[in-house]
Amino acid sequence: SYELTQPPSVSVSPGQTAKITCSGDELPKQYAHWYQQKPGQAPVLVIYKDRERPSGIPERFSGSSSGTTVTLTISGVQAEDEADYYCQYAYSIASFVVFGGGTKLTVL
Amino acid sequence: QVQLVQSGAEVKNPGAAVKVSCKASGYTFTNYYIHWVRQAPGQGLEWMGIINPSGGSTTYAQKFQGRVTMTRDTSTSTVYMELSSLTSEDTAVYYCARDRIVGTTPGYVFDYWGQGTLVTVSS
Repeated sequence: SYELTQPPSVSVSPGQTAKITCSGDELPKQYAHWYQQKPGQAPVLVIYKDRERPSGIPERFSGSSSGTTVTLTISGVQAEDEADYYCQYAYSIASFVVFGGGTKLTVL
Repeated sequence: QVQLVQSGAEVKNPGAAVKVSCKASGYTFTNYYIHWVRQAPGQGLEWMGIINPSGGSTTYAQKFQGRVTMTRDTSTSTVYMELSSLTSEDTAVYYCARDRIVGTTPGYVFDYWGQGTLVTVSS
Protein backbone atom coordinates (compact mmCIF):
# COMPACT_ATOMS: atom_id res chain seq x y z
CA SER A 1 0.00 0.00 0.00
CA TYR A 2 1.15 3.51 -0.76
CA GLU A 3 -0.83 5.05 2.09
CA LEU A 4 0.58 6.75 5.17
CA THR A 5 -1.07 6.13 8.53
CA GLN A 6 -0.94 8.60 11.41
CA PRO A 7 -2.74 8.56 14.77
CA PRO A 8 -5.64 11.03 14.69
CA SER A 9 -4.58 12.70 17.91
CA VAL A 10 -1.78 12.98 20.42
CA SER A 11 -1.97 14.84 23.73
CA VAL A 12 0.89 16.01 25.88
CA SER A 13 1.48 18.40 28.77
CA PRO A 14 3.71 21.43 28.36
CA GLY A 15 7.37 20.61 28.76
CA GLN A 16 6.90 16.95 27.96
CA THR A 17 7.93 15.11 24.80
CA ALA A 18 5.47 14.43 22.01
CA LYS A 19 6.02 11.64 19.50
CA ILE A 20 3.93 11.49 16.34
CA THR A 21 4.28 8.40 14.19
CA CYS A 22 3.68 7.84 10.51
CA SER A 23 3.62 4.36 9.01
CA GLY A 24 3.76 3.22 5.43
CA ASP A 25 5.07 0.30 3.43
CA GLU A 26 7.10 2.56 1.16
CA LEU A 27 8.91 4.45 3.89
CA PRO A 28 11.98 2.18 3.91
CA LYS A 29 12.53 3.27 0.30
CA GLN A 30 11.50 6.93 0.38
CA TYR A 31 12.29 9.92 2.55
CA ALA A 32 9.47 11.35 4.63
CA HIS A 33 8.79 14.98 5.41
CA TRP A 34 6.71 16.67 8.12
CA TYR A 35 4.51 19.77 8.06
CA GLN A 36 2.91 21.72 10.88
CA GLN A 37 -0.40 23.43 10.23
CA LYS A 38 -2.12 25.75 12.67
CA PRO A 39 -5.79 26.64 12.28
CA GLY A 40 -6.43 28.98 9.38
CA GLN A 41 -2.80 28.96 8.28
CA ALA A 42 -0.79 27.34 5.53
CA PRO A 43 1.39 24.34 6.39
CA VAL A 44 4.99 24.87 7.46
CA LEU A 45 7.80 22.43 6.71
CA VAL A 46 9.38 21.32 10.01
CA ILE A 47 11.37 18.22 9.01
CA TYR A 48 12.51 16.95 5.60
CA LYS A 49 14.36 13.84 4.48
CA ASP A 50 13.35 12.01 7.66
CA ARG A 51 15.49 14.05 10.04
CA GLU A 52 16.70 17.31 8.50
CA ARG A 53 15.46 20.52 10.07
CA PRO A 54 14.94 23.63 7.89
CA SER A 55 16.49 26.86 9.04
CA GLY A 56 14.28 28.71 11.48
CA ILE A 57 12.67 25.58 12.92
CA PRO A 58 13.36 25.20 16.64
CA GLU A 59 15.76 22.48 17.73
CA ARG A 60 13.04 20.82 19.79
CA PHE A 61 11.68 19.41 16.52
CA SER A 62 13.44 16.27 15.36
CA GLY A 63 12.74 13.33 13.11
CA SER A 64 13.75 9.69 12.97
CA SER A 65 13.11 6.64 10.86
CA SER A 66 12.95 2.92 11.56
CA GLY A 67 11.68 0.45 9.02
CA THR A 68 8.17 1.33 7.92
CA THR A 69 7.71 4.05 10.54
CA VAL A 70 8.95 7.60 10.77
CA THR A 71 8.55 9.64 13.93
CA LEU A 72 8.34 13.35 14.59
CA THR A 73 9.53 14.18 18.10
CA ILE A 74 8.87 17.48 19.80
CA SER A 75 10.93 17.85 22.96
CA GLY A 76 9.84 20.28 25.64
CA VAL A 77 6.48 20.90 23.99
CA GLN A 78 5.19 24.44 24.16
CA ALA A 79 1.63 25.71 23.86
CA GLU A 80 2.47 27.18 20.46
CA ASP A 81 3.20 23.67 19.14
CA GLU A 82 -0.50 22.80 19.25
CA ALA A 83 -1.35 22.12 15.61
CA ASP A 84 -2.05 19.47 13.01
CA TYR A 85 0.98 17.59 11.75
CA TYR A 86 1.18 15.83 8.39
CA CYS A 87 3.77 13.42 7.07
CA GLN A 88 4.43 13.15 3.33
CA TYR A 89 6.54 11.26 0.84
CA ALA A 90 6.82 11.14 -2.91
CA TYR A 91 7.83 8.90 -5.75
CA SER A 92 9.48 11.65 -7.78
CA ILE A 93 9.91 9.50 -10.87
CA ALA A 94 6.19 8.87 -11.02
CA SER A 95 5.21 12.29 -9.69
CA PHE A 96 3.22 10.54 -7.02
CA VAL A 97 2.78 12.38 -3.73
CA VAL A 98 1.17 11.00 -0.59
CA PHE A 99 0.19 12.79 2.59
CA GLY A 100 -0.74 11.11 5.83
CA GLY A 101 -4.15 11.85 7.27
CA GLY A 102 -2.76 14.22 9.86
CA THR A 103 -2.36 14.16 13.65
CA LYS A 104 -3.85 16.78 15.92
CA LEU A 105 -1.40 17.61 18.69
CA THR A 106 -3.12 18.93 21.79
CA VAL A 107 -1.08 20.63 24.50
CA LEU A 108 -2.96 20.05 27.74
CA GLN B 1 12.26 37.06 1.62
CA VAL B 2 10.47 34.35 -0.32
CA GLN B 3 6.77 35.04 -0.73
CA LEU B 4 3.96 33.34 -2.59
CA VAL B 5 0.86 35.52 -2.74
CA GLN B 6 -2.34 33.98 -4.01
CA SER B 7 -5.49 35.49 -5.45
CA GLY B 8 -8.62 35.98 -3.41
CA ALA B 9 -11.52 33.72 -2.53
CA GLU B 10 -13.86 32.54 -5.26
CA VAL B 11 -17.44 31.32 -5.35
CA LYS B 12 -18.39 29.26 -8.36
CA ASN B 13 -21.43 27.42 -9.63
CA PRO B 14 -21.25 23.69 -10.27
CA GLY B 15 -19.90 23.00 -13.73
CA ALA B 16 -17.90 26.21 -13.90
CA ALA B 17 -14.13 26.63 -13.87
CA VAL B 18 -11.89 28.54 -11.47
CA LYS B 19 -8.44 30.01 -12.03
CA VAL B 20 -6.21 30.73 -9.04
CA SER B 21 -3.01 32.70 -9.28
CA CYS B 22 0.18 32.53 -7.22
CA LYS B 23 2.69 35.38 -7.52
CA ALA B 24 6.23 34.59 -6.42
CA SER B 25 8.83 37.03 -5.14
CA GLY B 26 12.09 37.04 -3.23
CA TYR B 27 13.86 34.43 -5.35
CA THR B 28 14.59 33.53 -8.97
CA PHE B 29 11.20 32.40 -10.21
CA THR B 30 12.45 30.01 -12.90
CA ASN B 31 14.77 28.11 -10.56
CA TYR B 32 12.16 26.34 -8.44
CA TYR B 33 9.22 24.14 -9.29
CA ILE B 34 5.79 25.07 -7.95
CA HIS B 35 3.22 22.57 -6.66
CA TRP B 36 -0.49 22.91 -6.01
CA VAL B 37 -2.04 21.27 -2.95
CA ARG B 38 -5.64 21.49 -1.80
CA GLN B 39 -7.43 20.94 1.49
CA ALA B 40 -11.15 20.34 1.77
CA PRO B 41 -12.86 21.74 4.89
CA GLY B 42 -11.76 19.77 7.95
CA GLN B 43 -9.78 17.35 5.80
CA GLY B 44 -6.15 16.59 5.00
CA LEU B 45 -3.80 17.73 2.28
CA GLU B 46 -4.07 16.53 -1.32
CA TRP B 47 -1.42 17.06 -3.99
CA MET B 48 -2.71 18.19 -7.37
CA GLY B 49 0.32 18.64 -9.56
CA ILE B 50 3.56 20.43 -10.36
CA ILE B 51 4.77 22.99 -12.87
CA ASN B 52 8.27 23.88 -13.94
CA PRO B 53 8.25 27.69 -14.19
CA SER B 54 11.30 27.57 -16.43
CA GLY B 55 9.93 25.58 -19.34
CA GLY B 56 6.29 25.36 -18.35
CA SER B 57 6.18 21.55 -18.27
CA THR B 58 3.56 20.07 -15.98
CA THR B 59 2.63 16.82 -14.29
CA TYR B 60 -0.77 16.32 -12.77
CA ALA B 61 -2.03 13.86 -10.19
CA GLN B 62 -4.05 11.15 -11.86
CA LYS B 63 -7.19 12.21 -10.04
CA PHE B 64 -7.15 15.63 -11.69
CA GLN B 65 -5.89 14.80 -15.17
CA GLY B 66 -8.19 16.22 -17.81
CA ARG B 67 -9.65 18.75 -15.42
CA VAL B 68 -6.66 20.79 -14.21
CA THR B 69 -4.31 23.07 -16.12
CA MET B 70 -1.25 24.74 -14.63
CA THR B 71 0.46 27.58 -16.46
CA ARG B 72 2.98 30.28 -15.72
CA ASP B 73 3.86 33.81 -16.78
CA THR B 74 7.55 34.45 -16.36
CA SER B 75 7.14 38.18 -17.00
CA THR B 76 5.16 38.52 -13.77
CA SER B 77 6.57 35.52 -11.85
CA THR B 78 3.09 34.11 -11.53
CA VAL B 79 1.76 30.59 -11.80
CA TYR B 80 -1.86 29.73 -12.39
CA MET B 81 -4.01 26.71 -11.60
CA GLU B 82 -7.28 26.29 -13.45
CA LEU B 83 -9.75 23.60 -12.42
CA SER B 84 -12.78 22.92 -14.58
CA SER B 85 -16.09 21.08 -14.27
CA LEU B 86 -16.35 22.02 -10.61
CA THR B 87 -18.53 20.09 -8.18
CA SER B 88 -19.20 20.56 -4.50
CA GLU B 89 -16.38 18.08 -3.87
CA ASP B 90 -13.96 20.73 -5.13
CA THR B 91 -14.81 23.13 -2.32
CA ALA B 92 -11.44 23.55 -0.64
CA VAL B 93 -8.54 25.83 0.15
CA TYR B 94 -6.03 25.69 -2.70
CA TYR B 95 -2.36 26.29 -1.93
CA CYS B 96 0.63 26.85 -4.13
CA ALA B 97 3.92 25.69 -2.64
CA ARG B 98 7.50 25.99 -3.75
CA ASP B 99 9.69 22.92 -4.15
CA ARG B 100 12.69 23.01 -1.83
CA ILE B 101 15.18 21.90 -4.49
CA VAL B 102 16.74 24.40 -6.90
CA GLY B 103 17.38 23.16 -10.40
CA THR B 104 16.05 20.75 -12.94
CA THR B 105 14.87 17.89 -10.70
CA PRO B 106 12.24 18.65 -8.05
CA GLY B 107 12.50 17.12 -4.61
CA TYR B 108 8.77 17.04 -3.86
CA VAL B 109 9.31 18.78 -0.55
CA PHE B 110 7.40 22.02 -0.05
CA ASP B 111 9.36 24.73 1.73
CA TYR B 112 7.29 27.86 1.13
CA TRP B 113 3.52 28.05 0.82
CA GLY B 114 1.06 30.63 -0.36
CA GLN B 115 -1.60 31.84 2.05
CA GLY B 116 -4.27 29.70 0.38
CA THR B 117 -7.31 30.51 -1.73
CA LEU B 118 -10.75 29.34 -0.67
CA VAL B 119 -12.82 28.08 -3.57
CA THR B 120 -16.46 27.45 -2.77
CA VAL B 121 -18.61 25.56 -5.24
CA SER B 122 -22.28 26.11 -4.61
CA SER B 123 -25.43 26.78 -6.52
